[in-house]
Amino acid sequence: KAGVTQTPRYLIKTRGQQVTLSCSPISGHRSVSWYQQTPGQGLQFLFEYFSETQRNKGNFPGRFSGRQFSNSRSEMNVSTLELGDSALYLCASSLNGGADTQYFGPGTRLTVL
Amino acid sequence: DAKTTQPPSMDCAEGRAANLPCNHSTISGNEYVYWYRQIHSQGPQYIIHGLKNNETNEMASLIITEDRKSSTLILPHATLRDTAVYYCIVWRGSGNTGKLIFGQGTTLQVKP
Repeated sequence: KAGVTQTPRYLIKTRGQQVTLSCSPISGHRSVSWYQQTPGQGLQFLFEYFSETQRNKGNFPGRFSGRQFSNSRSEMNVSTLELGDSALYLCASSLNGGADTQYFGPGTRLTVL
Repeated sequence: DAKTTQPPSMDCAEGRAANLPCNHSTISGNEYVYWYRQIHSQGPQYIIHGLKNNETNEMASLIITEDRKSSTLILPHATLRDTAVYYCIVWRGSGNTGKLIFGQGTTLQVKP
């Protein structure tokens, strides 16, 4: 069974631009969570989607948003990029969320110049 | 969710067992102990999890103390490829949260 895939793997943007990252979960998994990893803050939870609905949200500004499609694929969008948004963005999928084990993708490395 | 305490770094000789400790003294009865590892700049890799009993899989063993206030991840024969940051997470996972809280983890350096 294929693992979690994320595209693109690397991205360079400039301040003020917006960016959309994509995540395809493991086949059959319905929950997708997104995380941001920076050297200073470590791994932080952004939000979780299940059946096209956001079920939980971390402490991030409204510039960070996401959505999930009927096939469980998910996208996250960051608008008006700031230098501090440079990070590794990770998505993780699980069968139904909750206590189900989460499996992570390789991440998208975003650099904001 | 309960907070965990892990040593910031550990060394292990190649071929020897690596024992990574984790303290979670405020763990609740319905919280699981999860272990993930992250090799440099890759996504975290699930290793193992448990609730009360010791667990073993093809990657590692998880030993949870009887009072559940601490646990140890054991890599039986460490290789250079096991060099990574290891995260211990306690997680209730109820309420459909899907939210893992990562601490700083333990950087394990396996040396030849």
